[in-house]
Amino acid sequence: AQSVAQPEDQVNVAEGNPLTVKCTYSVSGNPYLFWYVQYPNRGLQFLLKYITGDNLVKGSYGFEAEFNKSQTSFHLKKPSALVSDSALYFCAVRDSYGNNRLAFGKGNQVVVIP
Amino acid sequence: ETGVTQSPTHLIKTRGQQVTLRCSSQSGHNTVSWYQQALGQGPQFIFQYYREEENGRGNFPPRFSGLQFPNYSSELNVNALELDDSALYLCASRRPGPETEAFFGQGTRLTVV
Repeated sequence: AQSVAQPEDQVNVAEGNPLTVKCTYSVSGNPYLFWYVQYPNRGLQFLLKYITGDNLVKGSYGFEAEFNKSQTSFHLKKPSALVSDSALYFCAVRDSYGNNRLAFGKGNQVVVIP
Repeated sequence: ETGVTQSPTHLIKTRGQQVTLRCSSQSGHNTVSWYQQALGQGPQFIFQYYREEENGRGNFPPRFSGLQFPNYSSELNVNALELDDSALYLCASRRPGPETEAFFGQGTRLTVV
């Protein structure tokens, strides 16, 4: 069964500094990887996905993520963090065998300090 | 906003009661999934419906059941509510295929007392 690990509970970063949120995954076959963001008392908002091809994926609001097959990682990055990026970030994986389940990590709280 | 709407937004029920949550999928999406998100946790997959048939289920007991209608809207029913069922219930819709991203509604906050 597929699974995701997000090792850090909280990531603190100063406004304007680079932001990285880590994610490693486990899946049978090829992975389909996703990042979502959640603001308080709201649903999840899609940021970006990796399906195949270029290992660097660009998404919404200046976010990007790098797929690394050998390290089974899909870290989320943003070159310059904004205070408005403070939220809960979830990494998720689905396998390519027709298993419909999206497996989520426990989430990372990102706090951008002004 | 995603175009996925859920109702109600908040609900308080007593242990042992039954509850029905509703979801309207985004236009053009025929696949709907339900997730349970407990406080401080990531969403957990309950089940998925495609063309009115359940085609995937997570590790949830049979008292969690669902329906999908011809217009692709969906319901989640939970019988014999337990205190641990208190959570945010999220509905997500997408086009079919493992590579497609899911679009989530704002969720229904269920509190069981």
